[in-house]
Amino acid sequence: QSALTQPASVSGSPGESITISCTGTRSDSGNYRHVSWYQQHPGKVPKLIIYEATNRPSGVSHRFSASKSGNTASLTISGLQSEDEADYYCCSYAGSSTWVFGGGTRVTVL
Amino acid sequence: EVQLLESGGGLVKPGGSLRLSCAASGFPFSSYAMSWVRQAPGKGLEWVSSISGTGTKTYYAESVKGRFTISRDNALNTVYVHMNSLRGDDTAVYYCAIPVTSGFDPWGQGTLVTVSS
Repeated sequence: QSALTQPASVSGSPGESITISCTGTRSDSGNYRHVSWYQQHPGKVPKLIIYEATNRPSGVSHRFSASKSGNTASLTISGLQSEDEADYYCCSYAGSSTWVFGGGTRVTVL
Repeated sequence: EVQLLESGGGLVKPGGSLRLSCAASGFPFSSYAMSWVRQAPGKGLEWVSSISGTGTKTYYAESVKGRFTISRDNALNTVYVHMNSLRGDDTAVYYCAIPVTSGFDPWGQGTLVTVSS
């Protein structure tokens, strides 16, 4: 159950687009579309922003989009805003009813 | 509205035990699996354990297997995690969450467990 690999930090200026990668092994994210992404502001509860690799729950901004190719999932934030400054985590189903998270990425809006 | 409310956290000595509870409301509790996810201070998220809706199937992360036991009482709409042989690296906020198709949603507010002498 090794953690998925995410960059520790990503930054961008307001209005720009940034992309966060999430790389797993074939035994977790490689074989499944069951990848999700979470946004967590400091001191707050994680919030689901992407499920099944590319789908946005209702109420989540259209500025959040995601994709998956092979063992790598990606989250893109378009039109970066100050409110997007937070930690972002990917998560993948790892088989046998177990789950694995990425180490998290701190997004900074310059 | 779905609500998950954790309780039972606190300070415990290394080697000690603690039981966390998560009271659920707003959905047909027995129809849903439930999970615990934790977050050590300043660290990332870690899946801890899950239990099926009937309670007959349980699953654990390697880091807690043999020390933690997940259970549920569908009559009380509550899921528990019994934590034994606690260690310093078990210090974390423990969240209760509903596992859905590809993740967890929603999450409770969390309860802090501190393992320290």
